[in-house]
Amino acid sequence: DAGVIQSPRHEVTEMGQEVTLRCKPISGHDYLFWYRQTMMRGLELLIYFNNNVPIDDSGMPEDRFSAKMPNASFSTLKIQPSEPRDSAVYFCASSKQGFGANVLTFGAGSRLTVL
Amino acid sequence: AQSVTQPDIHITVSEGASLELRCNYSYGATPYLFWYVQSPGQGLQLLLKYFSGDTLVQGIKGFEAEFKRSQSSFNLRKPSVHWSDAAEYFCAVGADKLIFGTGTRLQVFP
Repeated sequence: DAGVIQSPRHEVTEMGQEVTLRCKPISGHDYLFWYRQTMMRGLELLIYFNNNVPIDDSGMPEDRFSAKMPNASFSTLKIQPSEPRDSAVYFCASSKQGFGANVLTFGAGSRLTVL
Repeated sequence: AQSVTQPDIHITVSEGASLELRCNYSYGATPYLFWYVQSPGQGLQLLLKYFSGDTLVQGIKGFEAEFKRSQSSFNLRKPSVHWSDAAEYFCAVGADKLIFGTGTRLQVFP
């Protein structure tokens, strides 16, 4: 299994540009999570999906952020327009729930720098 | 509301010494507890988890953790640290969604 695959690994963009981060979860996993990691705030859950349906998006910072999961093998996190404070590492994780809890497998992350 | 506290931001130990990383949680029901490790530039890797049963759980790389309900704690331990254990360690709690602590950075001196 190739694990959770995220792209791009690094993205440098200018303020105001649209950014799209992509994630391919592990085949057979029915949960998908987007986290953001910064020095100041640590790991924050942005949104998660179950069977491609968004379940909890309360962590999405503002309307500039949107996430979609059009099918079981693909998800995107979009920021439009981007701002310097969005600079962070964005992680995607997937899981197949067992015994009432999710054991997450993380991707390697997408490091975003907004100038 | 569920939350996780890792009181130690940074810990330094000598190689071969024992290690204990602290984790306290707040959770409204029976907690599902996890420890993850993150090496520089990498994603998080699961070390171990507690769902129920034996309160002392064994994980990968020689790590173990003990769940103490009375103290709301889930501390991570290793009897002898190796230089390759230098990384950041995260405690997490949750069921459907995991809430992570702020992490403890472990530095190992030869």
